Amino acid sequence: GESVGLHLPTLSVQEGDNSIINCAYSNSASDYFIWYKQESGKGPQFIIDIRSNMDKRQGQRVTVLLNKTVKHLSLQIAATQPGDSAVYFCAETSDHHTGTASKLTFGTGTRLQVTL
Amino acid sequence: SAVISQKPSRDICQRGTSLTIQCQVDSQVTMMFWYRQQPGQSLTLIATANQGSEATYESGFVIDKFPISRPNLTFSTLTVSNMSPEDSSIYLCSVEDLSREGGYGYTFGSGTRLTVV
Repeated sequence: GESVGLHLPTLSVQEGDNSIINCAYSNSASDYFIWYKQESGKGPQFIIDIRSNMDKRQGQRVTVLLNKTVKHLSLQIAATQPGDSAVYFCAETSDHHTGTASKLTFGTGTRLQVTL
Repeated sequence: SAVISQKPSRDICQRGTSLTIQCQVDSQVTMMFWYRQQPGQSLTLIATANQGSEATYESGFVIDKFPISRPNLTFSTLTVSNMSPEDSSIYLCSVEDLSREGGYGYTFGSGTRLTVV
């Protein structure tokens, strides 16, 4: 079967360490950002989101940082576990402020490999 | 969050044939989105489907190749027509998820893995 992330950049992290996955976006009008996790054979799974009026948002073991000045987004995973191994995508949209759903533009993705 | 059922989960098809992919949501949604994920790549939007109107296609995608139906607020289909090996991809549907606090989240189905031989 097809594997997700065969040709994507890979980040290798030891179990228990913190992971930082980065994403650059180009549309300065983007106002809503989402991080997705995609395991092999599955669809993307929502992790955390952030609006453009924030620069940091925390969830359970995950933190998203947004730097609008340099159009950069990062996902931090604390105490990385083997179950975190997957491909991670950032996604953005520029129409969130209108109050209606809108199409997402996805980043290229990063494969996170957790070593024991 | 919204639950999406996508069928078939995978298929192997002969070139020149067509495949229709179904997407069923457990709640009513205004907009449904169809994405393609080529092997080892990120997701690319094919089209946006609103109930009661024609789908809106992104650059590089045309209705003759990817006809979409949206008969009601919980269901949509995407057809991949006259398939060639280059159409081998994962096809995913996505919906706005208004159950998420503060945002849409855009829940995804599990995808249809299409191989064209």
